[in-house]
Amino acid sequence: DAGVTQSPTHLIKTRGQQVTLRCSPISGHKSVSWYQQVLGQGPQFIFQYYEKEERGRGNFPDRFSARQFPNYSSELNVNALLLGDSALYLCASSLGQGEQPQHFGDGTRLSIL
Amino acid sequence: QKEVEQDPGPLSVPEGAIVSLNCTYSNSAFQYFMWYRQYSRKGPELLMYTYSSGNKEDGRFTAQVDKSSKYISLFIRDSQPSDSATYLCAPRESGYSTLTFGKGTMLLVSP
Repeated sequence: DAGVTQSPTHLIKTRGQQVTLRCSPISGHKSVSWYQQVLGQGPQFIFQYYEKEERGRGNFPDRFSARQFPNYSSELNVNALLLGDSALYLCASSLGQGEQPQHFGDGTRLSIL
Repeated sequence: QKEVEQDPGPLSVPEGAIVSLNCTYSNSAFQYFMWYRQYSRKGPELLMYTYSSGNKEDGRFTAQVDKSSKYISLFIRDSQPSDSATYLCAPRESGYSTLTFGKGTMLLVSP
């Protein structure tokens, strides 16, 4: 079975631009979460979606937004990019919202020039 | 105090050694404890998943949780060069999927 897939793998943007990252969860998984991992740090929670509704939000500015589609795939959007947004953006999926463990994709590496 | 703390390392050991990786946390509401392994330029891979205090063994890996001292350990027996990676502990509260990660400990196993 395919794992969590993310696209694109790498992305280079300039300050002020907007970016959309995409995630397809493991088949049968209904919950998707997004994390930001800055070099040398552990992943930091951004959003969780379950059944197309936002179920949790981390301490990130409103420039960050996300949505989940009927097929449970998800997009993360970041507007007005800053140099500090350069990071590995990880998507994780799980069966449901509660007790099941999360499985991660290999992420999208975003570089801001 | 950060919610989850790990020594970033690197921890260098020879092949075949027993490795002990540790993590402390401050949130007493954490009930589930995950260990992830992350290779360079890859996403975290789930290694171990335990609930509450106690031990769990899976092959060469043993996870140990002591909730009274808020201390989590991962032991790797007969370590291999392929175990060289960053190990992330990630506890979470019951009923919530959100993970709180430590910085991770880099492990280097030399042949």
